[in-house]
Amino acid sequence: EAGVAQSPRYKIIEKRQSVAFWCNPISGHATLYWYQQILGQGPKLLIQFQNNGVVDDSQLPKDRFSAERLKGVDSTLKIQPAKLEDSAVYLCASTTPAGGAAFFGQGTRLTVV
Amino acid sequence: GDSVTQMEGPVTLSEEAFLTINCTYTATGYPSLFWYVQYPGEGLQLLLKATKADDKGSNKGFEATYRKETTSFHLEKGSVQVSDSAVYFCALRTQGGSEKLVFGKGMKLTVNP
Repeated sequence: EAGVAQSPRYKIIEKRQSVAFWCNPISGHATLYWYQQILGQGPKLLIQFQNNGVVDDSQLPKDRFSAERLKGVDSTLKIQPAKLEDSAVYLCASTTPAGGAAFFGQGTRLTVV
Repeated sequence: GDSVTQMEGPVTLSEEAFLTINCTYTATGYPSLFWYVQYPGEGLQLLLKATKADDKGSNKGFEATYRKETTSFHLEKGSVQVSDSAVYFCALRTQGGSEKLVFGKGMKLTVNP
């Protein structure tokens, strides 16, 4: 079974530029999460989708971050414009409903200079 | 709100030492509980899980028991190896409703030969 795919693995941009990350979850997984993991900290939820609907985006900085999940499968997370403090690893995870474990992609390491 | 509190470390042990990482949680209802491990440069991997009270999750010599009365899910291993050096995260997933996935801050473990 294929795992959660994320791209790119690494990205370096200058502040005020824009960037987009892509995630393809495990086939059949209705729930998709995007997390931000700053070095030395635990993952922080940015947004949670159930199929193509948003369940929780309370911690998403909506003035600069946006995310979509068209057709309830792939998802894209965008930052525009980026700030230095956005430097982090962005993790995508997917899961089935009813308490199952979430499976994570390798993450995208973003460096904003 | 829902939250996870765990030992933060960092912790350094000698090979074959006993390991305990404490984890307690706060949640409404009866969440599923997980331990994830993150090896250097890699994404989060599920280590073990428990979905109801008194369940014991186990994998690769690690064990954790879901204790409802103490709202705890402590991770233990009787004899650690150098290859166990990683960051360990305790997490919960709420049941029903939004099914949030909430992480603790993580604990870095280094095992020396």
